[in-house]
Amino acid sequence: QTVVTQEPSFSVSPGGTVTLTCGLSSGSVSTSYYPSWYQQTPGQAPRTLIYSTNTRSSGVPDRFSGSILGIKAALTITGAQADDESDYYCALYMGSGIWVFGGGTKLTVL
Amino acid sequence: QLQLQESGPGLVKPSETLYLTCTVSGGSISSVSYYWGWIRQPPGKGLEWIGSISYSVTTYSNPSLKSRVTMSVDTSKNQFSLKLNSVTAADTAVYYCARMTIRRDWGSWGQGTLVTVSS
Repeated sequence: QTVVTQEPSFSVSPGGTVTLTCGLSSGSVSTSYYPSWYQQTPGQAPRTLIYSTNTRSSGVPDRFSGSILGIKAALTITGAQADDESDYYCALYMGSGIWVFGGGTKLTVL
Repeated sequence: QLQLQESGPGLVKPSETLYLTCTVSGGSISSVSYYWGWIRQPPGKGLEWIGSISYSVTTYSNPSLKSRVTMSVDTSKNQFSLKLNSVTAADTAVYYCARMTIRRDWGSWGQGTLVTVSS
């Protein structure tokens, strides 16, 4: 079964830039996987940040951006803020109606 | 504004059936533009897609759960439902209902409901 990979944890300094990635256990991520990104804080439902690779969801600041970097999807946060400290999940559309979420990245801002 | 709200028992015994309903308000479930889905999150762990259903009852399920999952839609009540058979402790999780658009965006989520499987 296909596994979607994410860094378990990442750290960024306030004001810094960080890029989180979303890969496949086998193969490359492309736009055909419609990669999407979700932010989740403890006790809350996930919030959509990015869908279809690089489209920001309504109300999401433009310091969040999505792209394909090499063989992975990527979420870049430019000018990280304290309240960006969250768990970040990616999801990939595998075709035939099937979705797979990555294991999530815990981002620390310090 | 679209709202989704999960409801159902918070405690289910092992080997029994988990049954959850998601009530949609602020929008119609009868739209060709959307799929309605279930996603769960075991305590302290990541998200897992369970399955999706359209108003016309086209369904897709996670292959690892497919044999135990049944989904349905009730357009008269603007609700969709999840049945998960033969539950075990591994099915203990917060269960979210959500809406996916044709742009492949899980853009709207319910607040989630914790279901514990225990005797």
